Amino acid sequence: QQPVQSPQAVILREGEDAVINCSSSKALYSVHWYRQKHGEAPVFLMILLKGGEQKGHDKISASFNEKKQQSSLYLTASQLSYSGTYFCGTDPSNTGKLIFGQGTTLQVKP
Amino acid sequence: NAGVMQNPRHLVRRRGQEARLRCSPMKGHSHVYWYRQLPEEGLKFMVYLQKENIIDESGMPKERFSAEFPKEGPSILRIQQVVRGDSAAYFCASSLGTGPNEQYFGPGTRLTVT
Repeated sequence: QQPVQSPQAVILREGEDAVINCSSSKALYSVHWYRQKHGEAPVFLMILLKGGEQKGHDKISASFNEKKQQSSLYLTASQLSYSGTYFCGTDPSNTGKLIFGQGTTLQVKP
Repeated sequence: NAGVMQNPRHLVRRRGQEARLRCSPMKGHSHVYWYRQLPEEGLKFMVYLQKENIIDESGMPKERFSAEFPKEGPSILRIQQVVRGDSAAYFCASSLGTGPNEQYFGPGTRLTVT
């Protein structure tokens, strides 16, 4: 039931791009993306709804393919501040009860 | 501060004691979710509450754990007779409504059981 994220970890240089994937075996109503820095709370990035939409702000965007039950988070021209662990949270029951993936650790180096 | 508030931020308890964790949702939010995060692991859902109601407690251990969200005051997660395995970060998140609504997390309570 837990969504699977890939890759588990990625190291980038400033300015490079990254894609983080999130796959579920269950039909989903929504996918939520968060970034968490060590010792801090998860910070909401965006929510994607059933209907196969794409969203984005600044240089971070995401897509949701409900047929494949997959979502991808795109980070372009990465900045040092993008470093952290990214979690996708899936909502198969449409109650807001989120099932989180195991996380993808992103490290951006100067 | 209009964000989600949690207190205490750090809590140390000896085995067998009780831990009470509080969560005040964002202004205007009436839905609260509690999640637990073990060291170096992901977030695990525990319980979902609305004012005066437990909607879903499927992620909460059957014994020693309880949660409430009274009509007035913060939501409380209570752990009785704590054991070392309860050591974790406990986060609450709040949202405007059920389903596909944005959830905003509080800073968390880091519980250490000695």
